[in-house]
Amino acid sequence: VQLQESGPGRVKPSETLTLICTVSDYSITTGYYWGWLRQSPEKGLEWIGSVYHTGMTSYKKSLKSRVTISVDTSTNRFSLKLTSVSAADTGVYYCARDRFGSGSFDPWGQGILVTVSS
Amino acid sequence: DIQVTQSPSTLSASVGDTVTITCRTSENINNWLAWYQQKPGKAPKVLIYQASTLEFGVPSRFSGSGSGTEFTLTISSLQPDDFATYYCQQYNHYSRTFGQGTKVEVK
Repeated sequence: VQLQESGPGRVKPSETLTLICTVSDYSITTGYYWGWLRQSPEKGLEWIGSVYHTGMTSYKKSLKSRVTISVDTSTNRFSLKLTSVSAADTGVYYCARDRFGSGSFDPWGQGILVTVSS
Repeated sequence: DIQVTQSPSTLSASVGDTVTITCRTSENINNWLAWYQQKPGKAPKVLIYQASTLEFGVPSRFSGSGSGTEFTLTISSLQPDDFATYYCQQYNHYSRTFGQGTKVEVK
């Protein structure tokens, strides 16, 4: 299984960040959740949320009001939308397979750097 | 959210040393803890899950222990490839939080 993030490298403050994760060599409908995480020097590693192939989601409490994670089983992809971004949302964003049963993430995509700046 | 406190933040060691990293959680998480290794410019890679289960393909010099609120990662006979940053991550009530990381550097 391989995961690859795609999306803009720069987003303006107050706008919406949208990222897509393409899953290869594995069906997204095969019994796992799929998650988004991010990493910055200020906040470290942070789980943002996860989605099941049915569309069921779970989000980090402090981000819940700004986050939407959805899945497209026809294209084997899932996406992240984060609204009203600020400089605090700058960081490397990763998608990963969420092994709900063990509580861990594996594998991860290579990551994409997103900078919030005007 | 459950808080995770990882220590030390930096650890200086030599090849062949045995090193130990500790994570403490603010609530009882039973054994819902994972350990990751991250190298510069790369994504984290899981080493251990459920506190003590070694991920397939990970060398046996890595081991994890603990339950409840205190956990340790031990690397026996440190190898050159092991100099990296290590993170713990808890899972409880579908909340996930990571420790701040421990950088294992060359002494």
